[in-house]
Amino acid sequence: KQEVTQIPAALSVPEGENLVLNCSFTDSAIYNLQWFRQDPGKGLTSLLLIQSSQREQTSGRLNASLDKSSGRSTLYIAASQPGDSATYLCAVQDDYKLSFGAGTTVTVRA
Amino acid sequence: EAGVAQSPRYKIIEKRQSVAFWCNPISGHATLYWYQQILGQGPKLLIQFQNNGVVDDSQLPKDRFSAERLKGVDSTLKIQPAKLEDSAVYLCASSPLAGGIYEQYFGPGTRLTVT
Repeated sequence: KQEVTQIPAALSVPEGENLVLNCSFTDSAIYNLQWFRQDPGKGLTSLLLIQSSQREQTSGRLNASLDKSSGRSTLYIAASQPGDSATYLCAVQDDYKLSFGAGTTVTVRA
Repeated sequence: EAGVAQSPRYKIIEKRQSVAFWCNPISGHATLYWYQQILGQGPKLLIQFQNNGVVDDSQLPKDRFSAERLKGVDSTLKIQPAKLEDSAVYLCASSPLAGGIYEQYFGPGTRLTVT
């Protein structure tokens, strides 16, 4: 059974600081890994999807890396802004299902 | 391309009442998923449909939850009777087909509060 862990559970940083969010998973037989953003009580917004053959993906201030062999992914958010405050979820897709971590709740202080 | 649509967006009910949620997937997507997300946790898969057939409902509490996907398009998830612990965000997702190579696209979710 795939287990996905996200550390830390919560993070508070001053505006302008870079954010580093970690995700680990137990079974490396995955098709892809996806990072989502979720605002309180709302649905999921897909940020980045990394295929299993890729090492990283970038979109604007966001960069996500994937080390499938060690079961780890890291999401970097450069020059954080108050609007980046949200919960960030990592999910891994195997042949059968999408398994989620519990998320990291980020607060960016103005 | 229109995304996954869900309604209602919010619902408040008392325990032991019934509630139904509706989902319209992306046009042409054969696979539809319902997830339950309790506060502070990641989404958990409740049921997966391929067209109008059930692929996986192993985590669906079948004594109170039911779901259907008539004609292989829209889907309805029902809870009867609701319990306090059913308070959660219910997410619908769709993908072109089942299987790991296909990305899932999520709707905005329905936030259920049971009092």
